[in-house]
Amino acid sequence: EIVLTQSPGTLSLSPGERATLSCRASQSVSSAYLGWYQQKPGQAPRLLIYGASNRATGIPDRFSGSGSGTDFTLTINRLEPEDFAVYYCQQYGTSHPNTFGQGTKLQIK
Amino acid sequence: QVQMVQSGAEVKKPGASVRVSCKASGYTFTDQHIHWVRQAPGQGLEWVGRINPNRGGTDYAQKFQGRVTMTRDTSISTAYLDLNWLTFDDTAVYYCARGGVFAFDVWGQGTLVTVSS
Repeated sequence: EIVLTQSPGTLSLSPGERATLSCRASQSVSSAYLGWYQQKPGQAPRLLIYGASNRATGIPDRFSGSGSGTDFTLTINRLEPEDFAVYYCQQYGTSHPNTFGQGTKLQIK
Repeated sequence: QVQMVQSGAEVKKPGASVRVSCKASGYTFTDQHIHWVRQAPGQGLEWVGRINPNRGGTDYAQKFQGRVTMTRDTSISTAYLDLNWLTFDDTAVYYCARGGVFAFDVWGQGTLVTVSS
């Protein structure tokens, strides 16, 4: 099973700043099958990024994903108030089990 | 528009079974897998398993093997999650999600399953 470790656990920033979230895999993950999700309290997760760097439909271009192998990054430029939430990375596709990272909470400083 | 609508909240006793349904609409049901993901209170996301609606093939996370069954009814575009021998640790929100090369792009609203004596 591929274990995904996200860091930091909590990130405190102010609106307008840049957020950099990390996701490290215990073994190499195909970039084609690395995703990022945003979750707000009481809501289902929302897909932000698929294939490591492709924005999902309707996702603003201040969200970007990068990385390969075992190290992946989600960057959020110019934080908006609605961006403060919990973020999860995920490896999916044909490798079972699909796994999620433990999450990074992005909170207002 | 594409959506997944799940059944309502359930309260079950330890040792009981629960069935959660997920009705898909707005796309061809058999074209993409349906995954089930759960989230215990205050915790992260945990993949339970997936079903291929086309042929019914399934893959389950090892920790659920033996007490989980995923099925589908293509005539009504609905997937089902059955979980047996419930324990207090199964208390969680259960989500269905459409999955494919574009990751899990559409999610149901979630179904709270509470296991309580």
